[in-house]
Amino acid sequence: QSAPTQPASVSGSPGQSITISCTGTSSDVGAYKYVSWYQQYPGKAPKLMIFDVTNRPSGVSYRFSGSKSGNTASLTISGLQAEDEADYYCCAYAGRTIHYVFGSGTKVTVL
Amino acid sequence: QMQLVQSGALVKEPGASVRLSCKASGYTLTDYHMHWVRQAPGQGLEWMAGISPTGITFYAPKFQGRVTVTRDTSTNTLYVGVNGLKSDDAAVYFCARESGLLGAPAKNFDYWGQGTLVTVSS
Repeated sequence: QSAPTQPASVSGSPGQSITISCTGTSSDVGAYKYVSWYQQYPGKAPKLMIFDVTNRPSGVSYRFSGSKSGNTASLTISGLQAEDEADYYCCAYAGRTIHYVFGSGTKVTVL
Repeated sequence: QMQLVQSGALVKEPGASVRLSCKASGYTLTDYHMHWVRQAPGQGLEWMAGISPTGITFYAPKFQGRVTVTRDTSTNTLYVGVNGLKSDDAAVYFCARESGLLGAPAKNFDYWGQGTLVTVSS
């Protein structure tokens, strides 16, 4: 089972919108509604940003949104801010044998 | 206040075993699924294993037989043991809570420990 593929890097200017893709298979990303996204700053623990494809936990900015089509999930950050510069990982539930797979990770740079 | 506090950094020789701890406060460990996720230097996140509220453990296929998840309910502490350490086991190991109360399906990780760095070197 290989990790869902994410672009290694995505960049944008402040105020712009960017989208990070997470392409898996019909056994993980495409199989269940359980896709989540995590933000991670260097040397820190990940933080949950999106769960169940589209839901934001309490306290997460409305600028973060999620979607899914087939085997590809996406995270969109609108109104890009300097504080959004971090690594982002998708995670998909993949059933009772594999359990969970994390995406390869995307470094977001704010120009 | 919900908190997961992990044990300190370790240096181990190849072939050795290690046990890492993760003490929960602000909630009862056995009310939630708990998980271990690791991150090699400069690399991505990798899910390793988990334990259900009832104590059932489950593992990623690559870790089955070499990794053991346990917990001590008296101290509200989660553990992970890794046997036969190899150089590519060098990583930061995170514990994480799955958000569903009393085992309700959630499949996401809402609280994380600060991580424990394990260095494997002779």
